[in-house]
Order: sequence, then C-alpha cells, then structure tokens
Amino acid sequence: RKEVEQDPGPFNVPEGATVAFNCTYSNSASQSFFWYRQDCRKEPKLLMSVYSSGNEDGRFTAQLNRASQYISLLIRDSKLSDSATYLCVVSFTGGGNKLTFGTGTQLKVEL
Amino acid sequence: NAGVTQTPKFQVLKTGQSMTLQCAQDMNHEYMSWYRQDPGMGLRLIHYSVGAGITDQGEVPNGYNVSRSTTEDFPLRLLSAAPSQTSVYFCASSYDTRANEQFFGPGTRLTVL
Repeated sequence: RKEVEQDPGPFNVPEGATVAFNCTYSNSASQSFFWYRQDCRKEPKLLMSVYSSGNEDGRFTAQLNRASQYISLLIRDSKLSDSATYLCVVSFTGGGNKLTFGTGTQLKVEL
Repeated sequence: NAGVTQTPKFQVLKTGQSMTLQCAQDMNHEYMSWYRQDPGMGLRLIHYSVGAGITDQGEVPNGYNVSRSTTEDFPLRLLSAAPSQTSVYFCASSYDTRANEQFFGPGTRLTVL
C-alpha cells in the first residue's frame, strides 16, 4: 500500500464548478499535512498547509480527518488557471522535514 | 532573492557516464533535499541535508552521492549513470528541519541512453 494515495484523475470540470479531492495516508504518526500545486513541467509549489481544525484560503478549503487518515481539498468557483496537478504531502514527527508525496490529482478546468 | 536554482535544465547522458547536478539557494536555509519524479511514482527523496557538513539518505539513494560543504550548495552526483536514472530531479530547501514549506528549484530533466 502506498504511504499517500490519491486518485490520479483527471478531473475535468467546467469553469465555476466546485471540485473536491481526497487523499489518504497510511502512517498514523503523520503530523504535518500539505497540498502542493504543480503546473505542467514545473516545480511543485506550496498551496496550503492543512491544520487539524481545517483551514480556508480564498476559494480553497482544506480539511483533515485524523481518525480516518484522510485529507481533502475543496476548490470553489474553479478558474481556468486552477488547472494543474495537486499533490497531497505528509510528514511525520521524527522524520525531520522529509516529505512523502502522493502521485497527484490532475485537474482540468474547461470553458 | 533567486530562491532555489538548479543547473543544468536538461541533460542527456550515456550509460556509465558520471555527472553532477548543481543546486544552490540564497535564502540561508538549513534543510536541503533532492527528489526524483517519475510518472506514476510521485516525488521520492534521494538524499537530504540538515545543515552544512551533514547529509543522509532518503528513500532511493543508490547510485547517487551528495555533499554539503556550504549552506548554499547541495550538489547531486551520479556516479555511473543508468537508464533507470532517467527522471526529473528537483532540489528543495526549507528554513529548518521542522515540517514546513519546502521551496523547489525548477528541476533538471535527465535522460540516460
């Protein structure tokens, strides 16, 4: 079983739609959680950290469910510019800053 | 600040050749790391460093060496290139070893024939 699992997609959605991605992780000692965004042939960039209480940044909302060991990302009012691959990332206490990446979920927002 | 820089952007090697991928950051970050990204595999950690003079192995270290003589530089050496090392290589850095944002370089696309 992969340590971090994501549905690879692609998710094809019309502009203005709401889309949600889920991610599951296997290491119950995982302590820190992130969503990174990666554009085609570019480097990953941090989109947002995921806190236990959930957090929101504009059109983006991240949630963490420790009991079920999954993380979610909700994107409201999708824009064409949201088209990218979204990487779920976890790290665990004692692992330093070693990140474990999911393979990513591809989002395509269409007119 | 230039952030994290990597050279070269593209490289083609023949099996058995050696080369060094360069990585530098100007943010005074303590933590630096190298990842490779392959289709369907996600990013995998090759080596990392928690500070100058300190390096350690990640998930897939075989065939690669690193050194960290300065805070700024963290080169990755391929000792004897193999086709299985064809990949996109990303260098990343972060302020310290706590789980916080890592900043990635633009990547090096390596093909081994």
